[in-house]
Amino acid sequence: QPVLTQSPSASASLGASVKLTCTLSSGLSSYAIAWHQHQPEKGPRYLMNVNSDGSHSKGDGIPDRFSGSSSGAERYLTISSLQSDDEADYYCQTWGTGVHVVFGGGTKLTVL
Amino acid sequence: ELQLVQSGAEVKKPGDSLKISCYGSGYAFTNYWIGWVRQMPGKGLEWMGVIFPGDSDTRYSPSFRGQVSISVDKSISTAYLQWSSLKTSDTAMYYCARVEHGHIYGYFEYWGQGTLVTVSS
Repeated sequence: QPVLTQSPSASASLGASVKLTCTLSSGLSSYAIAWHQHQPEKGPRYLMNVNSDGSHSKGDGIPDRFSGSSSGAERYLTISSLQSDDEADYYCQTWGTGVHVVFGGGTKLTVL
Repeated sequence: ELQLVQSGAEVKKPGDSLKISCYGSGYAFTNYWIGWVRQMPGKGLEWMGVIFPGDSDTRYSPSFRGQVSISVDKSISTAYLQWSSLKTSDTAMYYCARVEHGHIYGYFEYWGQGTLVTVSS
């Protein structure tokens, strides 16, 4: 069972909202995760980290359109007022002494 | 402005050696762990390992231990990823990234732009 599971793809219309999910494996439901955006031809960009209680803290300059939340073993990234520039791969990441550092498989977001 | 600037793309042959670099600026370089991440063509991100520039303490992913070497020259704020004998399967984009303060295993807060390594005969 992978440590982090993400749907391979998601799509939503320009101006709409989308909620991406990252699921922690059994036994890791208390772990925090981080979300990273990876646009083509660029280095990844840290968006925020999301704790098990749903609290989150964003990276420098991340717009309010990006928010995080949590429910059980699931961690979410919600992007509202979608822009064409939001089309990217989104990766979740977790960490810890036992797991070291692990990335989810990524979700490719298409903005229609 | 905080930046991680990586060295340019490389094209090598199987068996060649290679060392790529990651220069950090705009922050106290010796106080934060720096990691390396691989992205093979069409695939996701894989954590390779981290190094603490202050004392060169290094940790590797079991998947990469013995396959690569991570080092640092703190006098020039630069971290390195090195291969002694490249394989075609090392063809990938490699990213360096700074870990959040005070953590060996933490989230990557800042990323470099990536170095493309192509290994082909």
